[in-house]
Amino acid sequence: EAQVTQNPRYLITVTGKKLTVTCSQNMNHEYMSWYRQDPGLGLRQIYYSMNVEVTDKGDVPEGYKVSRKEKRNFPLILESPSPNQTSLYFCASSSTAGLGGYEQYFGPGTRLTVT
Amino acid sequence: SQQGEEDPQALSIQEGENATMNCSYKTSINNLQWYRQNSGRGLVHLILIRSNEREKHSGRLRVTLDTSKKSSSLLITASRAADTASYFCASSGNTGKLIFGQGTTLQVKP
Repeated sequence: EAQVTQNPRYLITVTGKKLTVTCSQNMNHEYMSWYRQDPGLGLRQIYYSMNVEVTDKGDVPEGYKVSRKEKRNFPLILESPSPNQTSLYFCASSSTAGLGGYEQYFGPGTRLTVT
Repeated sequence: SQQGEEDPQALSIQEGENATMNCSYKTSINNLQWYRQNSGRGLVHLILIRSNEREKHSGRLRVTLDTSKKSSSLLITASRAADTASYFCASSGNTGKLIFGQGTTLQVKP
């Protein structure tokens, strides 16, 4: 089944404790992206990657890191989480080939609480 | 902020009625997409309309695009209780980056 998976789905952590949220897709997509969703603010892009070893900042990259060493994986790293990073996080992927228009496939979300 | 805007923010209708949601965006686009989100879950792609298209249909969904006004609308006809969800528009340029609107929360009462 074609899908985007994220782990963990729920995480409660403390300020300053480094964490990684994994994202993996099995559709051989070139493009992957991370978003955060906050009430009243919709989805905001954190980082995106057009292909392996190519990453770019989105609209709200501060406090986050990413890497794209393999096509299928795009982990999100919070080196020193703070309470303002409490949010619902989504990973997404899409093919950039042809005229597909970049329809994105979303993972189920990771609800992060930083205390 | 590059975020698009949607209105209304919330919409409540009776089953069988039509629901219309509007979206405005700020920059030139390659295409505009609509997504649906059930409470707290991942977004699901509904429909994509390219910048050279003016109208597109998919089942009970009808999307229009007016690039001169930088706006789009999503019409859901003959709504059902199962259509209750949040709906987001997302504009896309040539890079593949999506810029989302803030969403419209639709409630369809049985």
